[in-house]
Amino acid sequence: GENVEQHPSTLSVQEGDSAVIKCTYSDSASNYFPWYKQELGKRPQLIIDIRSNVGEKKDQRIAVTLNKTAKHFSLHITETQPEDSAVYFCAASISGGYQKVTFGTGTKLQVIP
Amino acid sequence: EADIYQTPRYLVIGTGKKITLECSQTMGHDKMYWYQQDPGMELHLIHYSYGVNSTEKGDLSSESTVSRIRTEHFPLTLESARPSHTSQYLCASSLTGQPQHFGDGTRLSIL
Repeated sequence: GENVEQHPSTLSVQEGDSAVIKCTYSDSASNYFPWYKQELGKRPQLIIDIRSNVGEKKDQRIAVTLNKTAKHFSLHITETQPEDSAVYFCAASISGGYQKVTFGTGTKLQVIP
Repeated sequence: EADIYQTPRYLVIGTGKKITLECSQTMGHDKMYWYQQDPGMELHLIHYSYGVNSTEKGDLSSESTVSRIRTEHFPLTLESARPSHTSQYLCASSLTGQPQHFGDGTRLSIL
């Protein structure tokens, strides 16, 4: 089955700096890669996703890049703000049919004001 | 409002009790999932369903059971709760499998 590894497990950055979270996956058939943000005590929420036919996707201050050959993908947050503090989960799945989503182990991001 | 609802939000109960965690979604999604998550830790899939009368066990072994008699409803049952079942349980649904929409979760504490 799919295995998703996520690094680092914790990340502290100064407000205004950039943050990068990296994930690798094992199943070359995976073609959909969402990122979820989970604030303390709240539900995980999708913040951005990317499909395997795209190498990069941006949405305001966040971006995701995908390297299919190396089987890794990354989340980039620029100009970090205190409200970006949360746990971020990457995930991988296979689009179509009876697919499951495999989550990474999470990265706790702390943005220091 | 179309959403996914979980009840109760918090439950503290004694060992040996039977527990049912409720999950309902009003988005008409066929696919529904249950995850177990310790605070701030990774999500472990324990059950999933691709439609009415379809249930499968997930990657993490669980003593819980689920049923899917109606599209919108996916309850999880523990016949005899134990302290090892203490955790947060998150329900999710999706139309195509991705993305997944999560409920607020049930924080379960077994004494």
